[in-house]
Amino acid sequence: EVQLVQSGAELKKPGESLKISCKGSGYTFPKYWIAWVRQMPGKGLEWMGIIYPDDSDTRYSPSFQGQVTISVDKSINTAYLQWSRLKASDTAIYYCARPNMVSTLGAFDIWGQGTMVTVS
Amino acid sequence: DIVMTQSPDSLAVSLGERATINCKSSQTILSTSKNKHYLAWYQKKPGQPPKLLIYWASTRESGVPDRFSGSGSGTDFTLTISSLQAEDVAIYYCQQYYSPPPWTFGQGTEVEIK
Repeated sequence: EVQLVQSGAELKKPGESLKISCKGSGYTFPKYWIAWVRQMPGKGLEWMGIIYPDDSDTRYSPSFQGQVTISVDKSINTAYLQWSRLKASDTAIYYCARPNMVSTLGAFDIWGQGTMVTVS
Repeated sequence: DIVMTQSPDSLAVSLGERATINCKSSQTILSTSKNKHYLAWYQKKPGQPPKLLIYWASTRESGVPDRFSGSGSGTDFTLTISSLQAEDVAIYYCQQYYSPPPWTFGQGTEVEIK
């Protein structure tokens, strides 16, 4: 079964750092882009950025450039989203997602279950 | 960045009736080389991740009921639920995935039962 499994919920204080994860299984992980999507409480979906595990090519939305870091460890089929200094406004659910086409960009057919990050 | 604008923000439809959601892109999302529109539709229910319904503007994802259909061209696209069922209550998002990133979402349309 193709799936993305994300790390568990986090409760952090402002100014702390955080790294959440997204582990892929059931497919050739290095050959599919992995994206991160934010949903703030009561708000819509926001596309944050995307990484290609095979060569770590990373693209960010201008809204999130410099605010987060996306990385990957293809040896363990895991992508990461990290913050160096959290703010209360980072409180949200974060989803990772995989496009429906190998080695290229496309619609997201596989999603992680989401990681709730609370900064308070 | 390409801006995606959905309308309406919410709609209430009777069970068995048609629901129509519109999505407009601020610029073309058509690949002339592939002759495909880089437009997807997702269904989002509380406590669940988004679910892909439609991609390439009109291709239904495997397992999605055929009451869901996508259409449109140029910069105007539509998601239609032909006969609304109770389980279709959700928020629906369009998204463009036309290079280069960011691949923006619409603001969402909430569908409820009248």
